Amino acid sequence: GIQVEQSPPDLILQEGANSTLRCNFSDSVNNLQWFHQNPWGQLINLFYIPSGTKQNGRLSATTVATERYSLLYISSSQTTDSGVYFCAVPLGSGYALNFGKGTSLLVTP
Amino acid sequence: SAVISQKPSRDICQRGTSLTIQCQVDSQVTMMFWYRQQPGQSLTLIATANQGSEATYESGFVIDKFPISRPNLTFSTLTVSNMSPEDSSIYLCSVEEAGMNTEAFFGQGTRLTVV
Repeated sequence: GIQVEQSPPDLILQEGANSTLRCNFSDSVNNLQWFHQNPWGQLINLFYIPSGTKQNGRLSATTVATERYSLLYISSSQTTDSGVYFCAVPLGSGYALNFGKGTSLLVTP
Repeated sequence: SAVISQKPSRDICQRGTSLTIQCQVDSQVTMMFWYRQQPGQSLTLIATANQGSEATYESGFVIDKFPISRPNLTFSTLTVSNMSPEDSSIYLCSVEEAGMNTEAFFGQGTRLTVV
């Protein structure tokens, strides 16, 4: 199956700082999603972005499919941004997802 | 996007017992999946819940331990059987619509602790 690697594994930011999270994948994909898992365990959809660039408020994402990576940008971080950010790609030829190990983000006041 | 209700949200269970987790969707969906997230780990697919037929399990997961039902296009259950402390995890239900835009959505998860 397609391998997914996320970096960095952990990140600590002061409130107001910007950050870039990276997701590398081992083969071409027709689906790539970014999720935020909050401290209560809920998985929140951020972006469905198999290619191109999208923006939603302080968050934006870019996937360069030909080079097999995706970036998630968080600007002006807030404490509520804390949690784990996951990148996921298709698992095999079906519709289920294969998740990276995540980036654990802590934003301090 | 589909609204997914998962119950219970959390439970503490005795070893040797079983727990059934329910996943209800507010619209008919083609694909339903169950994932497990062990403490501090990423999500791993348990199985694809097939409507009207037996679930398709991933390597390392078996029907006797994780029986799954999917009686219709809006509902599925996952049972964690004969539990041990190693089953303590978050269990998540996910849905997708087959087609060009295969965005996955997740229920709020069930946080299970086995004592």
